[in-house]
Amino acid sequence: NAGVTQTPKFRVLKTGQSMTLLCAQDMNHEYMYWYRQDPGMGLRLIHYSVGEGTTAKGEVPDGYNVSRLKKQNFLLGLESAAPSQTSVYFCASSLGSDSPLHFGNGTRLTVT
Amino acid sequence: GENVEQHPSTLSVQEGDSAVIKCTYSDSASNYFPWYKQELGKRPQLIIDIRSNVGEKKDQRIAVTLNKTAKHFSLHITETQPEDSAVYFCAATPYSSASKIIFGSGTRLSIRP
Repeated sequence: NAGVTQTPKFRVLKTGQSMTLLCAQDMNHEYMYWYRQDPGMGLRLIHYSVGEGTTAKGEVPDGYNVSRLKKQNFLLGLESAAPSQTSVYFCASSLGSDSPLHFGNGTRLTVT
Repeated sequence: GENVEQHPSTLSVQEGDSAVIKCTYSDSASNYFPWYKQELGKRPQLIIDIRSNVGEKKDQRIAVTLNKTAKHFSLHITETQPEDSAVYFCAATPYSSASKIIFGSGTRLSIRP
């Protein structure tokens, strides 16, 4: 039982490049979330999903897209990376909105 | 929109003393209030949570209190130890968008030996 697994752990992009972050969970959780963490700003919600085939916008969705084609996977895409997207990205999953979040280990992304 | 404010942003206490972190939320119908601890370089992990039908919850040295009227909740850590040094985040689930979990900006707690 691996919990929540994020890949990759680290990535450096140049401005304008694209990439996809992968999140996988093996706990059969319905809800999945993508957060970004910046110094002094806590965890800000980018997008979330309440079940397979569903996605919704969070607090800071601009510049990101997501897909939840399979229940266990939640993908975060950056179509044209910008330096402002330099951050640590955390994926999380839960049974429901009033259940504890289980976080992955994070992806450190640097955009130059 | 939904908002969770957390104070203080940094807190330093003597080992053995108590630490208190406070959060306020804007959506009066919020019903779930978790607290997460994040050690340096690690992922956040749940340490305690409380639901709106409960005023206080305790787990060993950690307790959380909820004041629904004032729309604030607090984390209390007693008999602090060096391993309590970390960043602590409060969060709330706004009723208006019950699928979201919104976090406060975090408190960096340092325990002085």
